[in-house]
Amino acid sequence: DQQVKQNSPSLSVQEGRISILNCDYTNSMFDYFLWYKKYPAEGPTFLISISSIKDKNEDGRFTVFLNKSAKHLSLHIVPSQPGDSAVYFCAAIRLVRTSYDKVIFGPGTSLSVIP
Amino acid sequence: GAGVSQSPSNKVTEKGKDVELRCDPISGHTALYWYRQSLGQGLEFLIYFQGNSAPDKSGLPSDRFSAERTGGSVSTLTIQRTQQEDSAVYLCASSFLLKGQGLYIQYFGAGTRLSVL
Repeated sequence: DQQVKQNSPSLSVQEGRISILNCDYTNSMFDYFLWYKKYPAEGPTFLISISSIKDKNEDGRFTVFLNKSAKHLSLHIVPSQPGDSAVYFCAAIRLVRTSYDKVIFGPGTSLSVIP
Repeated sequence: GAGVSQSPSNKVTEKGKDVELRCDPISGHTALYWYRQSLGQGLEFLIYFQGNSAPDKSGLPSDRFSAERTGGSVSTLTIQRTQQEDSAVYLCASSFLLKGQGLYIQYFGAGTRLSVL
């Protein structure tokens, strides 16, 4: 039962254009959604997050949009740069009282930004 | 150190041997996770330690896999009688809950690449 889905295993975008990475989830109880970025031979690094009570969060070139009714979120990168080429993981977490449940990761989308 | 440290970075072993993978989390982090990433696959959850609570072992693929976390800090993932399908990158992450923000972030190590011949 895959609770967090990233249906596009790969994406290619021209440098300077917008990259849009999509993520769908099934559990309406998730409280936070996070995006991680992973370069080869390195561990994933946190990129940006959004609370379930928000519909948008922006940090520089990165914006995450959340559509709770559709159980869908997306990461926008504008403008895309060659250094953005990496695997992007969508993740979700549910808070349980004062603690939290385990983080659920999607399978990842490999982004290639073409110079 | 400043980040999550994993050792060894690479491990080559023969089928049937036992291996131990180590994770040193960031000091003060209450939660520690183990994941594995097989070639071309996403992050597969293995086990989760949170403070003094019983670990969530729901992701361990078989009873050949076990993990412990001593003193709430260092963790060791042990794979007994390794099989070729155990070959993967094993990633460790630690985390804390930012008070006042309720924001949860995981910090990952660089991983241990395990190759079972």
